[in-house]
Amino acid sequence: ELKVEQNPLFLSMQEGKNYTIYCNYSTTSDRLYWYRQDPGKSLESLFVLLSNGAVKQEGRLMASLDTKARLSTLHITAAVHDLSATYFCAAADNAGGTSYGKLTFGQGTILTVHP
Amino acid sequence: EAQVTQNPRYLITVTGKKLTVTCSQNMNHEYMSWYRQDPGLGLRQIYYSMNVEVTDKGDVPEGYKVSRKEKRNFPLILESPSPNQTSLYFCASSLQAYSYEQYFGPGTRLTVT
Repeated sequence: ELKVEQNPLFLSMQEGKNYTIYCNYSTTSDRLYWYRQDPGKSLESLFVLLSNGAVKQEGRLMASLDTKARLSTLHITAAVHDLSATYFCAAADNAGGTSYGKLTFGQGTILTVHP
Repeated sequence: EAQVTQNPRYLITVTGKKLTVTCSQNMNHEYMSWYRQDPGLGLRQIYYSMNVEVTDKGDVPEGYKVSRKEKRNFPLILESPSPNQTSLYFCASSLQAYSYEQYFGPGTRLTVT
């Protein structure tokens, strides 16, 4: 059974600082997703990572995937208040057949960026 | 406008009274999925559908049913709701299951008393 763990679960940052959110998953997966959720809102897709070593960047956010270590990271550079949100990672099942439609989410990391 | 719609957005009901939450997408997506979100637990997948007439269980399918008779619609059915199904529900779709980002609906907040 695929399990996904994020850490930290709560992150309070100062504007301008850098930090990393970690997403570990327990069994083989070849797809890793990152999502953002603002308070009271739905989820918005940030990144889809499909292969070992994949790196994607959008603005101050950069995501990477290491399938050997079963680890994805979301790196925040020079944080700004607008990045305050909850960030989720999700890993896809790799067992074959229709199971590759199955997604397991992490618990989410609540990020607060202070002036 | 490309979107995933859910109805109703808010629902308060009583234990045992059957209900359906509708989900519809206008992007011709093959893949659709239902999730529930509970504090401290993140999102958990209930059911997903790879394409029309193909559905499969997620991590928490007990107490729920789905059907996918046409590509655009993927309703979630609670035949006999119980208080532990009080939650925030999201429907999502993507072009295909593999490699594509998911688009999420606005959510349905369900309270079962």
